[in-house]
Amino acid sequence: QVQLVQSGAEVKKPGASVKVSCKASGYTFNSYHMHWVRQAPGQGLEWMGIIKSSGASTTYAQKFRDRVTVTKDTSTSTVYMELSSLRSEDTAVYYCAREFPRDYRFDQWGQGTLVTVSS
Amino acid sequence: QSALTQPASVSGSPGQSITISCTGTSSDVGGYNYVSWYQQHPGKAPKLMIYEVTNRPSGVSNRFSGSKSANTASLTISGLQAEDEADYYCSSFATGGTYVFGTGTKATVL
Repeated sequence: QVQLVQSGAEVKKPGASVKVSCKASGYTFNSYHMHWVRQAPGQGLEWMGIIKSSGASTTYAQKFRDRVTVTKDTSTSTVYMELSSLRSEDTAVYYCAREFPRDYRFDQWGQGTLVTVSS
Repeated sequence: QSALTQPASVSGSPGQSITISCTGTSSDVGGYNYVSWYQQHPGKAPKLMIYEVTNRPSGVSNRFSGSKSANTASLTISGLQAEDEADYYCSSFATGGTYVFGTGTKATVL
């Protein structure tokens, strides 16, 4: 069955970086785009960015453009999201979610990774 | 990109229908038929309920339906059941190849 398994919770200090992983299984990894979405405590969903199935193209929300990098490792079917210059407002659950190209929907989601930013 | 506007809460009794609106702009909801809806129970990942405005994925109850008029999309849940109590989010593809989510709506079954 399709699974997106994310790395465990992280605690970081302000100014640090965090790298969250999302390991895919149960489908053809290179046939799907992968998105990252975050949710601050008690708040709504916020789209962060996408890495296309080819791995050659990324698009980020303007809010994160200078701080986020999404990459993929085809050999391990894993997508990574790195967020730098962390601040307390980045405390959130981070989700990966897949999309079949040109389907424009997130049909499978990871379980989420809690990132806590605290001094 | 501003979040799409949803009511903070809606409620209904078992068996009734509720409708959740999702208002955007011509750069997102109004410009594309790529609105989707997600259900999220507490502590869980979101689940796709509606895609391309009106379509239901396999396995989603036909009590869930979607529509759109101009810059506003809507999700209707008919025959409300206790298990429908959850948060609901709309999402739209937007200009520039980005995506935007709605502010979220808490649906309560009275």
